[in-house]
Amino acid sequence: DTGVSQDPRHKITKRGQNVTFRCDPISEHNRLYWYRQTLGQGPEFLTYFQNEAQLEKSRLLSDRFSAERPKGSFSTLEIQRTEQGDSAMYLCASSSGLRFEAFFGQGTRLTVV
Amino acid sequence: AQKVTQAQTEISVVEKEDVTLDCVYETRDTTYYLFWYKQPPSGELVFLIRRNSFDEQNEISGRYSWNFQKSTSSFNFTITASQVVDSAVYFCALLGAGSYQLTFGKGTKLSVIP
Repeated sequence: DTGVSQDPRHKITKRGQNVTFRCDPISEHNRLYWYRQTLGQGPEFLTYFQNEAQLEKSRLLSDRFSAERPKGSFSTLEIQRTEQGDSAMYLCASSSGLRFEAFFGQGTRLTVV
Repeated sequence: AQKVTQAQTEISVVEKEDVTLDCVYETRDTTYYLFWYKQPPSGELVFLIRRNSFDEQNEISGRYSWNFQKSTSSFNFTITASQVVDSAVYFCALLGAGSYQLTFGKGTKLSVIP
């Protein structure tokens, strides 16, 4: 069990550029989540996958955001036409079907300049 | 709607003091789950405990203890004999039955001074 892995750890991009983040969940976990955390706030839910199916999406997830989880393994989160307001820590988490606690990765810190 | 309130934004204690972090929640669900997570400076959220709404038994794990009271909708976290390594931001979170969205409080930053 190597834990949830996220890549990259840090990303600086210019406004208007597209960015993609990757998350590798704990291998036996079939549930995967994306959260966003801004400075001084708790994480906010973005989206949830059970295996390869995206079952829940937050209203925070605008049309510029898209997430995938092909084959129910790793997941990617893409942000198109980034804006300064997208600057945040993007956290990925996973959990098994038998337990409710989610285990989080170290996050990807995005800075849009 | 779910809501979690952590009224204490920052707390500073001297090493070896006991400290309690408060958490108050709101939910209309009769079945729900409560969590505490620790976020050290490295950024990773570390799971500490899960509590089910139908189990009000308090729990102790080493220097950590949790007091769950449905009557006051509170799930408080106490660290006994605090250590410098306890310095972190602590988040309380709520999960409603049938949902997969954790609702987090804004967190309490704990600083333990040697």
